[in-house]
Amino acid sequence: AQSVSQHNHHVILSEAASLELGCNYSYGGTVNLFWYVQYPGQHLQLLLKYFSGDPLVKGIKGFEAEFIKSKFSFNLRKPSVQWSDTAEYFCAVNFGNEKLTFGTGTRLTIIP
Amino acid sequence: NAGVTQTPKFQVLKTGQSMTLQCAQDMNHEYMSWYRQDPGMGLRLIHYSVGAGITDQGEVPNGYNVSRSTTEDFPLRLLSAAPSQTSVYFCASSYAPMNTEAFFGQGTRLTVV
Repeated sequence: AQSVSQHNHHVILSEAASLELGCNYSYGGTVNLFWYVQYPGQHLQLLLKYFSGDPLVKGIKGFEAEFIKSKFSFNLRKPSVQWSDTAEYFCAVNFGNEKLTFGTGTRLTIIP
Repeated sequence: NAGVTQTPKFQVLKTGQSMTLQCAQDMNHEYMSWYRQDPGMGLRLIHYSVGAGITDQGEVPNGYNVSRSTTEDFPLRLLSAAPSQTSVYFCASSYAPMNTEAFFGQGTRLTVV
């Protein structure tokens, strides 16, 4: 079955620390990949997306993600986090059909 | 543009009651969908629509109905509310589900007592 896994459920970092959130999916075909962010009390917003081309994609607010096809992964990174990055982060995958499948999310808490 | 508008923002229902969650978008998107968000489970797809007059089931459709009579509106109906339907509901729209950004509404927090 097609699925999306986010193994980090809750990550706590200090400001200026580097961030990497994992996302893996189970499917051998063509996929479209997304990271969404949900700030406290708000709706989901797109951080970045990958459809094709350069596997290293840059998004808003200094976030980037790398698609590694051989590892079925699309990890989210940020070199230096800020307190305002406190939010829940969702990886989402389209498996070439009419649905967008989300991971269970990672709650990120940044300590000032 | 308003984007995706959901109403109401909060609702408390008694078990067995029915209600409709409204969703409207003004971006002329063909694709619309409903998700529920539960702690530790992420967003799960309830129903979706690829255009007016066309709807289909997602991952967790039981207890919910949808219709799509216009491109703009995609209401979600709870037929007989149950405590298990306590959740936060999000409506989303996009030009296409596969390779375009989904725009989300602000969410409806539903409590069934």
